[in-house]
Amino acid sequence: AQSVSQHNHHVILSEAASLELGCNYSYGGTVNLFWYVQYPGQHLQLLLKYFSGDPLVKGIKGFEAEFIKSKFSFNLRKPSVQWSDTAEYFCAVNLFSGGYNKLIFGAGTRLAVHP
Amino acid sequence: EAQVTQNPRYLITVTGKKLTVTCSQNMNHEYMSWYRQDPGLGLRQIYYSMNVEVTDKGDVPEGYKVSRKEKRNFPLILESPSPNQTSLYFCASSLFGNNSPLHFGNGTRLTVT
Repeated sequence: AQSVSQHNHHVILSEAASLELGCNYSYGGTVNLFWYVQYPGQHLQLLLKYFSGDPLVKGIKGFEAEFIKSKFSFNLRKPSVQWSDTAEYFCAVNLFSGGYNKLIFGAGTRLAVHP
Repeated sequence: EAQVTQNPRYLITVTGKKLTVTCSQNMNHEYMSWYRQDPGLGLRQIYYSMNVEVTDKGDVPEGYKVSRKEKRNFPLILESPSPNQTSLYFCASSLFGNNSPLHFGNGTRLTVT
């Protein structure tokens, strides 16, 4: 069965520290990959996405992610986090089947950034 | 403004009392979906719809019903809610096709006592 694994459930960092959140998926076919962010009390917002082309994608607020096909990974990175990055981050894999989007989410990583 | 609107934002109810959570989108999206979010489990798909009168089960459909009589609306119905349906629910929509990211509503936090 297809699945998405996020390695860390909770991450605590100080401001200006670098961030890397791991995401691996299990599916052998073509995928589209997403990172969503959920700020406290809010809905999910798209952070960045990968469909094709350059495997290093840049998103909003200084985030980037690298798609490594051989490792089935799509890790999220940010060189220097801010307190406002405190949120929960979800990796998601889009399986295109029968013309519709089946989006499978990871369990999420809760990031807390301390000033 | 393009958006997905869910109502209510918060709902507390008792076991067995039927309820409906509404979802409406103004982007003319064909595809709509309901997810529930639980700690440590991420988002799990309940039901989805590819167009009017076309609905299908997601990964956790038990205890839920949906309908898609109009393109813009996709209500989630709990005929007889139980405490294990206490969760945060999100409606989402997108255009048809694999290059279209989902747009999410603001969520409905449901508590069943």
